[in-house]
Amino acid sequence: EVQLLESGGDLVQPGGSLRLSCAASGFTFSSYAMNWVRQTPGKGLEWVSTISGSGGSTYYADSVKGRFTISRDNSKNTLYLQMSSLRDEDTAIYYCAKGSGYSYGNTPDYWGQGTLVTVSS
Amino acid sequence: DIVMTQSPDSLAVSLGERATINCKSSQNILYSSNNKNYLSWYQQKPGQPPKLLIYWASTRESGVPDRFSGSGSGTDFTLTISSLQAEDVAVYYCQHFYTTPYTFGQGTKLEIK
Repeated sequence: EVQLLESGGDLVQPGGSLRLSCAASGFTFSSYAMNWVRQTPGKGLEWVSTISGSGGSTYYADSVKGRFTISRDNSKNTLYLQMSSLRDEDTAIYYCAKGSGYSYGNTPDYWGQGTLVTVSS
Repeated sequence: DIVMTQSPDSLAVSLGERATINCKSSQNILYSSNNKNYLSWYQQKPGQPPKLLIYWASTRESGVPDRFSGSGSGTDFTLTISSLQAEDVAVYYCQHFYTTPYTFGQGTKLEIK
């Protein structure tokens, strides 16, 4: 059974930093791309970033490019999202989602329960 | 960016009746080299993450009841629930994965009439 467990969400001040983690199990982690998707009541679902199975290719939404960094440790079956220069509009539930394939052009098929990031002073 | 527009925003259907949700992409998301439409449908119930129902526009994910079906190609797509059950009350989203950013539709809230 695929399981994805996010952690690291917190209340942080604007301009601050935070690192999210996603522990994966139930599948061969290195064989699949992984994604971060966030959700806010006002803006709905927003794709944030994708990383290929090897970690060699990464993709970002323009809204986070240059501020967020996606990475993975295939030896630990863990996905990360390093967030810096956080803004109020980054407040959201952040979901970790497994890709249906190794790299680009595949859909998120399994999602974690999410972790809440609140950016506020 | 490809914009995904769903209609309607909300929908109320009687139990056992058909529910139809539409999704339109601002650009073609049919990849000619493999003849696949890069379109997925998700179901989200309150307090839960989205659940994949349909991918490649019409392929049902394993374990999804066959009352759920997807159709369409190019820029126009449809999710159909053939006979609405109480447990189908949820918000439904379409998403393209043709090119980044993988944008979602705004969601359609499905309720029981």
